[in-house]
Amino acid sequence: KAGVTQTPRYLIKTRGQQVTLSCSPISGHRSVSWYQQTPGQGLQFLFEYFSETQRNKGNFPGRFSGRQFSNSRSEMNVSTLELGDSALYLCASSLAAGADTQYFGPGTRLTVL
Amino acid sequence: GEDVEQSLFLSVREGDSSVINCTYTDSSSTYLYWYKQEPGAGLQLLTYIFSNMDMKQDQRLTVLLNKKDKHLSLRIADTQTGDSAIYFCAECPSTTSGTYKYIFGTGTRLKVLA
Repeated sequence: KAGVTQTPRYLIKTRGQQVTLSCSPISGHRSVSWYQQTPGQGLQFLFEYFSETQRNKGNFPGRFSGRQFSNSRSEMNVSTLELGDSALYLCASSLAAGADTQYFGPGTRLTVL
Repeated sequence: GEDVEQSLFLSVREGDSSVINCTYTDSSSTYLYWYKQEPGAGLQLLTYIFSNMDMKQDQRLTVLLNKKDKHLSLRIADTQTGDSAIYFCAECPSTTSGTYKYIFGTGTRLKVLA
């Protein structure tokens, strides 16, 4: 069974632009969570989607948004990019929402210049 | 608070045992997890332990759980150079709204010396 895939793997943007990242969960998994990883802040939870509904949200500004499609694939969008948004964005999928075991993708490395 | 604490660095010699420690915050977590992250990669699930267990062994990995002290440890026997990575512990407590949210530790960078 294929693992979690994320596209693109690397991205370079400039301040003020917007970006969309994509995540395809493991087949059969219906929950997708997003995390931001930076050297200074570690792994921080962005949001969780299950059955196309956002179930949980971390403490990030409204510039960060996401959605989930009927096939469980998820996208996250960051608008008006700032230098501090440079990070590794990780997606994790699980069978169900909540406390179910999460499996991570390889991440998308975003660099904001 | 929400901080899951780990020591930042650990250095061991190849063939020795490594012990990575974690102090978590919330006893409502049903499972506690250990993940491994190699450079430039995502997190790989290594093992997990059910909260009503004290110990779990999985090949070279042994997880110990002390619920009273909210202390979790990961022991790697016969550590190899391929074990060099960052190790994260994680808990998944319930929130006030009835949902669950993973909280990850700060990560321990394990360096294995040949």
